Amino acid sequence: KAGVTQTPRYLIKTRGQQVTLSCSPISGHRSVSWYQQTPGQGLQFLFEYFSETQRNKGNFPGRFSGRQFSNSRSEMNVSTLELGDSALYLCASSLSFSGTRRTGANVLTFGAGSRLTVL
Amino acid sequence: GQQVMQIPQYQHVQEGEDFTTYCNSSTTLSNIQWYKQRPGGHPVFLIQLVKSGEVKKQKRLTFQFGEAKKNSSLHITATQTTDVGTYFCAVILNRDDKIIFGKGTRLHILP
Repeated sequence: KAGVTQTPRYLIKTRGQQVTLSCSPISGHRSVSWYQQTPGQGLQFLFEYFSETQRNKGNFPGRFSGRQFSNSRSEMNVSTLELGDSALYLCASSLSFSGTRRTGANVLTFGAGSRLTVL
Repeated sequence: GQQVMQIPQYQHVQEGEDFTTYCNSSTTLSNIQWYKQRPGGHPVFLIQLVKSGEVKKQKRLTFQFGEAKKNSSLHITATQTTDVGTYFCAVILNRDDKIIFGKGTRLHILP
């Protein structure tokens, strides 16, 4: 089956602009999580969506937002870009939400990521 | 503060030597997952540990979950060049159900 698809794979923006990243999960997966990866900070949790509802949110400013659609596809948006937003943005899907008691249902399958460069 | 600590941050080993990375939490974990990210790639799931004291093996990889469910380790026996990458633990804290990642251990193999 197809994996997690993220678009675009690479993009370059300038400070002050906004960006929208897209994530298509594995068919049948209802949870989508977003992470920001930078060399210094590792994988930082942004948010998690399950059944179109945001279940968890990380410690990022309000410029970072997201949503999930009825087909489980998800988008994240970053407004008023700053240089420090340059990073690899990874989306991961799972069968169920992270806190589920169903063993294995919260295992994350990651996409290849969207590499954002802010100039 | 940091909720999960992973050590060491970097490890250089000669090919054929063993390697271990440790993941420690100050709070009890409901379960722990391990992922591997090859250079230029994305994290790939390796295993999930749920039970106290659990030990699981995958070929040369051995995963352990501590008795108190506050720490875990990944041990690789006789490393090979294919083992190069960054190994992450990912945890769900009992008091919060989001998955957070350790900072990872980057493994370099010297030929």
